Amino acid sequence: DIQMTQSPASLSASLGETVTIECLASEDIYSNLAWYQQKPGKSPQLLIYDASTLQDGVPSRFSGSESGTQYSLEINSLQSEDAATYFCQQHHDYPLTFGSGTKLEIK
Amino acid sequence: QIQLVQSGPELKKPGESLKISCKASGYTFTDYAMQWVKQAPGKGLQYMGWINTQTGKPTYADDFKERFVFSLETSASTAYLQINNLKNEDTATYFCARGSTWGQGVMVTVSS
Repeated sequence: DIQMTQSPASLSASLGETVTIECLASEDIYSNLAWYQQKPGKSPQLLIYDASTLQDGVPSRFSGSESGTQYSLEINSLQSEDAATYFCQQHHDYPLTFGSGTKLEIK
Repeated sequence: QIQLVQSGPELKKPGESLKISCKASGYTFTDYAMQWVKQAPGKGLQYMGWINTQTGKPTYADDFKERFVFSLETSASTAYLQINNLKNEDTATYFCARGSTWGQGVMVTVSS
């Protein structure tokens, strides 16, 4: 199975700041990576797929990038509503696997 | 619009069985596979597997090859997850998902 190592486990940032969350794939997943946002008691919402394609309706302050097997989610100009847990998921091979999640707190 | 509506919360005892439903609307049910994901309380997302909605063939991730059964009622555009011989560690929220669309989740509590 492909392992997704996500970091950091948690972070705290202020309104207006920029944060980066990373996922390292254990093998080449050929950009087949999605980022999800999940708020307490809710189902995950897709933010980005294919590493860098923004899902319809997602604010442009979210962006995805890749370098080799390292994938990043950047959130610019943090808003209070960005407080959530973020997960990556590879969709290159079954079983699809998730990163362990990053809990983002807004100061 | 595309929607997945899941059944309500469940409270069960160890050893019992349950069946969760996931009703799809807004698209042709057999055009997309249905995925299942488990989230234990305060934990991350764990991929359980998927079912081919055209053939009904399920594929299970390693941790879910025993006691877990994916099935379909195609005429009702509904997918099911059955869990047999429930254990305390099955306490979790279970999501169905089709592409970017997820159900609201079903909270399952297993307690004696």
